[in-house]
Amino acid sequence: ETGVTQSPTHLIKTRGQQVTLRCSSQSGHNTVSWYQQALGQGPQFIFQYYREEENGRGNFPPRFSGLQFPNYSSELNVNALELDDSALYLCASSLGISGELFFGEGSRLTVL
Amino acid sequence: AQSVTQLDSQVPVFEEAPVELRCNYSSSVSVYLFWYVQYPNQGLQLLLKYLSGSTLVKGINGFEAEFNKSQTSFHLRKPSVHISDTAEYFCAVSDPPNDMRFGAGTRLTVKP
Repeated sequence: ETGVTQSPTHLIKTRGQQVTLRCSSQSGHNTVSWYQQALGQGPQFIFQYYREEENGRGNFPPRFSGLQFPNYSSELNVNALELDDSALYLCASSLGISGELFFGEGSRLTVL
Repeated sequence: AQSVTQLDSQVPVFEEAPVELRCNYSSSVSVYLFWYVQYPNQGLQLLLKYLSGSTLVKGINGFEAEFNKSQTSFHLRKPSVHISDTAEYFCAVSDPPNDMRFGAGTRLTVKP
């Protein structure tokens, strides 16, 4: 059974650029949730995708967007990067919207 | 909206001593409660969860937590810690299931 995998593991961008982060869900899982974890803080819910549709969103601006593909993998896109977007971005997959979350190891984004 | 407060940002203990990590939550309706552990440079791993039923919940690695509705608390305990328990611990509340709110975390450091 393959766990949740995220790519890239680390990346550096400059302010104003755009970034795409990718997540492959655990085998059999149809739901993906994305979280932002700033340094020294707990993860903050960005949004969740269930069967290719957004199913809930946290308090993040529209420049944070996502996609879920037919194979249930997912992308997180952030436009017009700001310095405060520097964080660890965590993807979690689950079976259904209320299933146990299984987390990947995250993508660490640094915005200069 | 639900929220979580972890009362201690850092907890240092000696090996084989007992430990309690404190968590209070606020929510207007029934909640699901969770404890996650995060080791350095890794994602989050579920320790235990309370959905309903018995208020004493047992998890992995010898951890347990008690749900106290009157005090809106969900404290995590372990009777004897090991060096390998050194990590960041997050309490989380979920209501509805697709919007999980995490606390700021408690860094547990086990000293020899």
